[in-house]
Amino acid sequence: EVQLLESGGGLVQPGRSLRLSCITSGFIFGDFAMTWVRQAPGKGLEWVGFARSKTFGGTTQYAASVEGRFTISRDDSKSIVYLQMNSLKSEDTAVYYCTRDPGPNTIAVTGGAYWGQGTLVTVSS
Amino acid sequence: QSALTQPPSVSGSPGQSVTISCTGTSSDVGGYDRVSWYQQPPGTAPKLMIYEVFNRPSGVPFRFSGSKSGNTASLTISGLQAEDEADYYCSSYTDSSTVVFGGGTKLTVL
Repeated sequence: EVQLLESGGGLVQPGRSLRLSCITSGFIFGDFAMTWVRQAPGKGLEWVGFARSKTFGGTTQYAASVEGRFTISRDDSKSIVYLQMNSLKSEDTAVYYCTRDPGPNTIAVTGGAYWGQGTLVTVSS
Repeated sequence: QSALTQPPSVSGSPGQSVTISCTGTSSDVGGYDRVSWYQQPPGTAPKLMIYEVFNRPSGVPFRFSGSKSGNTASLTISGLQAEDEADYYCSSYTDSSTVVFGGGTKLTVL
């Protein structure tokens, strides 16, 4: 059974950093791209970014709203994907989900086949 | 990248069919068969209902179907049931190698 479990959320002051983790199980992690999606309170889904599988060098892409501040990394040996968030702003307040692609080794990554339960990040002074 | 355009709300009675549209551009919906649809009941994580325009993951009822024409994708729910009431989102891969979501559609079962 595929499982994704996010952790690391919490209350953080503007300008500070936070690292989210997504521990996975039930599939060959290294073969799949991993995506982060967020949802501000009462709002819709917003794509944050992804890290491709090792087949495509684990390359990453980011939304313009987080480019240069957020970094996605993966540890294939531990089946974990991370989201390092720096220079946090109030508008980054959201539930952050990690998701997995429907199929392995895709270059046109969409995510969304499996989701974690999400972790809430609140940026406030 | 601008968000894909979805109607804010749709509604239907049990047993009826409803269709939710998702309009983008030739740089996203129209250019790739990488359109997905998600269902999100209140307080829960999204669930994949359709991927790559028309494919249903295992366990998703046949009542849910997807299609695409030009820059517009559509999700049709046939034989509407009370349990289908939720928010629905579309997404698409883009020519910037990013992903864009629609604003979401609230489905009300009357």
